[in-house]
Amino acid sequence: KAGVTQTPRYLIKTRGQQVTLSCSPISGHRSVSWYQQTPGQGLQFLFEYFSETQRNKGNFPGRFSGRQFSNSRSEMNVSTLELGDSALYLCASSTGQGVDEQYFGPGTRLTVT
Amino acid sequence: SQKIEQNSEALNIQEGKTATLTCNYTNYSPAYLQWYRQDPGRGPVFLLLIRENEKEKRKERLKVTFDTTLKQSLFHITASQPADSATYLCALDMFWTGANNLFFGTGTRLTVIP
Repeated sequence: KAGVTQTPRYLIKTRGQQVTLSCSPISGHRSVSWYQQTPGQGLQFLFEYFSETQRNKGNFPGRFSGRQFSNSRSEMNVSTLELGDSALYLCASSTGQGVDEQYFGPGTRLTVT
Repeated sequence: SQKIEQNSEALNIQEGKTATLTCNYTNYSPAYLQWYRQDPGRGPVFLLLIRENEKEKRKERLKVTFDTTLKQSLFHITASQPADSATYLCALDMFWTGANNLFFGTGTRLTVIP
């Protein structure tokens, strides 16, 4: 069974630009969660999608958004990039039903200059 | 808001010894708690999950305990090996929100010295 894939793996953007990251979950998984990881703040929850609906959202500004498609693939978008958005962005998939471990992708390393 | 503290940022131990990592949380008690391992440049990998009504869980050389009175979980690696060197993260559920997402501690970087 293929694992969670994320594209691109690395990205360099300039302040003010926007970026879209993609995540393909494990086949059969309907839940995709997004996390931001930085050295100072650690892993922080962004949002979770289940069956194309956002079920929960973390404490991030509206510049961070996401969506999920009917095949469970998910994208997250960050608009008007700031230097502080430089981070490793991880997505995790799970069945989304009940108590469930999450399977993480390798992440997208975003650098904002 | 929920706060999670993992006892130390870094822990060094000798090969063959038992590593003990601590995870303390405040406020509400989670329905379950998970432990993950993360290697540099990679996403976290699930290790163990323990429910609030379970005191202890084991998997091979790994053992997790969960004390809801102390609001603490301990993670043990017995007969540690250099390959166990990694960052270990504890995570609490936010299941009460109806969503499947986790609230992570900042992690403990374990180094097993040969």
